[in-house]
Amino acid sequence: NAGVTQTPKFRVLKTGQSMTLLCAQDMNHEYMYWYRQDPGMGLRLIYYSASEGTTDKGEVPNGYNVSRLKKQNFLLGLESAAPSQTSVYFCASSYDNSGANVLTFGAGSRLTVL
Amino acid sequence: GQNIDQPTEMTATEGAIVQINCTYQTSGFNGLFWYQQHAGEAPTFLSYNVLDGLEEKGRFSSFLSRSKGYSYLLLKELQMKDSASYLCAVVDSNYQLIWGAGTKLIIKP
Repeated sequence: NAGVTQTPKFRVLKTGQSMTLLCAQDMNHEYMYWYRQDPGMGLRLIYYSASEGTTDKGEVPNGYNVSRLKKQNFLLGLESAAPSQTSVYFCASSYDNSGANVLTFGAGSRLTVL
Repeated sequence: GQNIDQPTEMTATEGAIVQINCTYQTSGFNGLFWYQQHAGEAPTFLSYNVLDGLEEKGRFSSFLSRSKGYSYLLLKELQMKDSASYLCAVVDSNYQLIWGAGTKLIIKP
């Protein structure tokens, strides 16, 4: 089982460039999430999606956009990258949004913006 | 505001026992998770507590006291492969996950 797959694993961008991170899950999960992880800080939610075609903002959505055109895919876009967006990005998915809902994470995408 | 506190780093010896504490102040409570994250890898689920008390799962146990806003993860018979970061996360009243910054556990031979 592949679980949650993220591409690319590493990327270096120049300020102002755009890019898209792709997340794919094969577990038929309804919910998908994009987090960023920075040193000394907890995981911060960027956007999430409760179902195909719907998305909602998380704690730190500015500078990002997302789309969930298919249930298994959740894309994270950076339209004009900034050095503050240098981070490790994790995609995750879950069956539902109940309290006991366990997240399955992808391996992460390390993005550096120069 | 909402806050999760964990020690930044802990060191323990192979074969020993270590307790990693987590205190929280959140708007509501719908459960607490512990995840393990090896360096450069994804977080993986360890435990979930929603009621007070101790949940044991092999070498790992997790304790919760809702009245004190406190949890701990207990790791017994430490192995070198337990060297990792341990993330505490609380589900708030809106069913959003609030994450602590994680505790880096270093195991020495």
